[in-house]
Amino acid sequence: GAVVSQHPSWVICKSGTSVKIECRSLDFQATTMFWYRQFPKQSLMLMATSNEGSKATYEQGVEKDKFLINHASLTLSTLTVTSAHPEDSSFYICSAPRAGLDTQYFGPGTRLTVL
Amino acid sequence: DAKTTQPPSMDCAEGRAANLPCNHSTISGNEYVYWYRQIHSQGPQYIIHGLKNNETNEMASLIITEDRKSSTLILPHATLRDTAVYYCIVRANGSGDDKIIFGKGTRLHILP
Repeated sequence: GAVVSQHPSWVICKSGTSVKIECRSLDFQATTMFWYRQFPKQSLMLMATSNEGSKATYEQGVEKDKFLINHASLTLSTLTVTSAHPEDSSFYICSAPRAGLDTQYFGPGTRLTVL
Repeated sequence: DAKTTQPPSMDCAEGRAANLPCNHSTISGNEYVYWYRQIHSQGPQYIIHGLKNNETNEMASLIITEDRKSSTLILPHATLRDTAVYYCIVRANGSGDDKIIFGKGTRLHILP
């Protein structure tokens, strides 16, 4: 079964509003989670590394003030898209490594559409 | 910088073996070869990984050349549900919290 969940699975919002996306590890603790963005017919692009109890690390070119990341617990990371615009419409995916396993589990993704 | 090179797309007949190649000529000694796949509108799914020996699990087999500069993912009996984008990634092991950088992958079409 799924070990990483995302909520919501899809969201439509108006331009200028903020949207929060949750990423949860279901039966394990994750001190680190990763956030990706994927545009149609393109590959996943890493946006940032979410660290429990500390600031997120953003990839070059990703605006930290626009994409707010909070990793308040060992099972939850949130990505808030602030003042969303149509160009922010994308598929947002999170992942979490599981201790003792040499791989990561990915969430099912959240499709954001900004009107 | 891309560490792997994969063909952009491939076709395979349903029921046949799908062989997906990957070149990773600059792989270093501590890097493993990982394969993930992404079915349309879903998150990526781990398939298999290996260092230098061939590996097999319930999903696929991974064949790594002796010089480790290339590998092949084999889906032994492809079904329509195997239609997806397959990503070959090289990364150091033992550090599961390292970020994964995805290339463009191979779009595999399973034909009925």
